[in-house]
Amino acid sequence: GAGVSQSPRYKVAKRGQDVALRCDPISGHVSLFWYQQALGQGPEFLTYFQNEAQLDKSGLPSDRFFAERPEGSVSTLKIQRTQQEDSAVYLCASSRDRNTGELFFGEGSRLTVL
Amino acid sequence: SQKIEQNSEALNIQEGKTATLTCNYTNYSPAYLQWYRQDPGRGPVFLLLIRENEKEKRKERLKVTFDTTLKQSLFHITASQPADSATYLCAPTNGATNKLIFGTGTLLAVQP
Repeated sequence: GAGVSQSPRYKVAKRGQDVALRCDPISGHVSLFWYQQALGQGPEFLTYFQNEAQLDKSGLPSDRFFAERPEGSVSTLKIQRTQQEDSAVYLCASSRDRNTGELFFGEGSRLTVL
Repeated sequence: SQKIEQNSEALNIQEGKTATLTCNYTNYSPAYLQWYRQDPGRGPVFLLLIRENEKEKRKERLKVTFDTTLKQSLFHITASQPADSATYLCAPTNGATNKLIFGTGTLLAVQP
């Protein structure tokens, strides 16, 4: 596609619900990143894929967070048993190759947990 | 731990002036550093990348410097315009880790 696409753009969940956020990276991009951005803060790294391999998941805040990229293209970030502190914008980004160069970001998925 | 500091206060300047934003980092030695622009409700957009062996890089009205001794990068916008108003994020990166670590961003407001 022309850019990184994320869905849904907005998600409201009740505390305890599971949510799934989808990212469609730019076609052919090898690397895919997930970031979490709280209001007024910079993006915080969550996890990184190179093709289908999850090479770094050190930023995932708890075992309620899980990400996958089974075929090396589309990725899903799943949050189980959502808590209010999970409310944030979740940003997905992709880059062309293995070495970190320019990241292309999606518009983000804004999650609000009530 | 790795720490990145950007001006926490919003920067207000008059149209036509030069805006200078600061990025300081501690506890690591990035191989290169990137700057991004973020508008409200949008994802960050890449602006410039500067490598550790480059002291300065320019792109149109933008200029970035990288001082590895001071552990600091400065981002300049010359002849600023109201359309430059946004949050600017710096991301010093160790290439080996393949992940960008972002600062908190500086909000720039250019007054007409």
